Amino acid sequence: GAVVSQHPSWVICKSGTSVKIECRSLDFQATTMFWYRQFPKQSLMLMATSNEGSKATYEQGVEKDKFLINHASLTLSTLTVTSAHPEDSSFYICSPGGGGTDTQYFGPGTRLTVL
Amino acid sequence: QKEVEQDPGPLSVPEGAIVSLNCTYSNSAFQYFMWYRQYSRKGPELLMYTYSSGNKEDGRFTAQVDKSSKYISLFIRDSQPSDSATYLCAMSVVSTGNQFYFGTGTSLTVIP
Repeated sequence: GAVVSQHPSWVICKSGTSVKIECRSLDFQATTMFWYRQFPKQSLMLMATSNEGSKATYEQGVEKDKFLINHASLTLSTLTVTSAHPEDSSFYICSPGGGGTDTQYFGPGTRLTVL
Repeated sequence: QKEVEQDPGPLSVPEGAIVSLNCTYSNSAFQYFMWYRQYSRKGPELLMYTYSSGNKEDGRFTAQVDKSSKYISLFIRDSQPSDSATYLCAMSVVSTGNQFYFGTGTSLTVIP
């Protein structure tokens, strides 16, 4: 299976600040990156899909100006939560796609707590 | 109606029991069916995936797909305390991509 890393694994920030989450695909080239959000006791919800070198596509209800996604290389994608608010506190998980993987693999997740 | 329905549990079983986890779905176009295990505060870990109908076995785990009933199952034999986690089913029309539909997850606790 694919090896995916995320950094940081846990971050606490003050309301109004911005947080950047990195996702790295370690053993294959991810032409696509999917970003999910998971609230406690709920399932994964797709936020956006990014393709390397182009703008991300956001799911309905996800603010593109709040959740900035950069996919500048085939091994790195970043999600920046801008002007974070307590309701943005969640578990953010990336999932690389493309590169001939047989199915979808997920990163270990980043837990964001906004005070 | 949700695309995928999964009983959230929680489910508690004694060590050594056989566990049955299930999901139903509504989209007959789904071809790929996955089971993920998610420990607390960790990302989902792929357990098994199957294509179309039938059974697939891997060690203590058996995945079963019944497309005619739109019903999938994951069986865990000889359950261990280390199996305690949330189990998510997922399905899609294609093998990879953004059109993955997830169940809400079933929380399982195996009691020593």
